[in-house]
Amino acid sequence: NAGVTQTPKFQVLKTGQSMTLQCAQDMNHEYMSWYRQDPGMGLRLIHYSVGAGITDQGEVPNGYNVSRSTTEDFPLRLLSAAPSQTSVYFCASSDWTNKQYFGPGTRLTVT
Amino acid sequence: AQSVTQPDIHITVSEGASLELRCNYSYGATPYLFWYVQSPGQGLQLLLKYFSGDTLVQGIKGFEAEFKRSQSSFNLRKPSVHWSDAAEYFCAVANPSNTGNQFYFGTGTSLTVIP
Repeated sequence: NAGVTQTPKFQVLKTGQSMTLQCAQDMNHEYMSWYRQDPGMGLRLIHYSVGAGITDQGEVPNGYNVSRSTTEDFPLRLLSAAPSQTSVYFCASSDWTNKQYFGPGTRLTVT
Repeated sequence: AQSVTQPDIHITVSEGASLELRCNYSYGATPYLFWYVQSPGQGLQLLLKYFSGDTLVQGIKGFEAEFKRSQSSFNLRKPSVHWSDAAEYFCAVANPSNTGNQFYFGTGTSLTVIP
């Protein structure tokens, strides 16, 4: 199993550009989540999904969209990047036991 | 609303010394509780978790944590720290009625180990 994979590892965007952060898992987990990690803030939940076709907002959803067309994939879209979205983004999947598996992260810089 | 407090932003210990990282939570009932470790540039790895039962839980890498309901705490301990334990440690809670999807993390404690 590859576990949770994220691409790209690093990305630099200009303000106003759009992009999609990719996340995939091969463990057949129903639950997937996106977090952002900022210094001194810990991890904050952006969006989550409890299964294909079902998504919901977390603590900090503004500026981000998600969709879940398959069990495996959970992309995060930034429609119009802002400097405040400079962060490290982690995708996670979890099984029914609440054990979360994290991807390696994407470091995003918005200039 | 749930919240997690890790009062210590940064801790420095000598190799071989004991370690205790503090975690306090705010929740109406007993949540699911977790400790994660993050090495520089890496994702998060689960050290241990508490759902119910024995309040002292054992994890990987020689870590343990004790759930104290009266203090709303879930402190992480290790009897003898190794240099490789230097990392960022996060405590997290989850709502048992929202299985798998809503975790709340503390702000983390950065551990430095002195040789």
